[in-house]
Amino acid sequence: ILNVEQSPQSLHVQEGDSTNFTCSFPSSNFYALHWYRWETAKSPEALFVMTLNGDEKKKGRISATLNTKEGYSYLYIKGSQPEDSATYLCAPKTSYDKVIFGPGTSLSVIP
Amino acid sequence: NAGVTQTPKFQVLKTGQSMTLQCAQDMNHNSMYWYRQDPGMGLRLIYYSASEGTTDKGEVPNGYNVSRLNKREFSLRLESAAPSQTSVYFCASSEGVHQPQHFGDGTRLSIL
Repeated sequence: ILNVEQSPQSLHVQEGDSTNFTCSFPSSNFYALHWYRWETAKSPEALFVMTLNGDEKKKGRISATLNTKEGYSYLYIKGSQPEDSATYLCAPKTSYDKVIFGPGTSLSVIP
Repeated sequence: NAGVTQTPKFQVLKTGQSMTLQCAQDMNHNSMYWYRQDPGMGLRLIYYSASEGTTDKGEVPNGYNVSRLNKREFSLRLESAAPSQTSVYFCASSEGVHQPQHFGDGTRLSIL
């Protein structure tokens, strides 16, 4: 069983605050790492697919970095808005097809 | 743009009943997946199929069976439903290691 950890489990921030989460995974047999955003009562939606050590991806106010050698990825949100409230899931791929998700970080942005 | 379609959206079963959840994708993806959503545990992989004709166990396969009927369709069967299988089930598909998964809207299943 792949051990994927995400921290913190949940956090509450004020509108305008910047925040970041961590995804930790075994560094062996790494293929790719996916980040997803999951709003309540909806389906997960892909944010980033990261494959190379040192990768940095950005979409609007959200960005992510990847360190495959030490087995972690950071997701950053700059200037959080209420619409950023969601659960953020990471999914490291250690085989071509199998996708295991971390437990997620639940973000609440208070207006 | 249908993407991944799951049926039914809601279902209530009695303990011991059987049920098949259907999933179809129109994106010509090779890989398909079934997950269950449990509070505090995110998404847990039940079974996946890397290509037509192949299926593999995920993290929590006990109590479930799957069929990859063709490239488009991947069904999940509960032979004898148990209350512990009450959950929201998501089907997903993807193509290649560098492509993200596309999810259906989920099936909310309650077992009494």
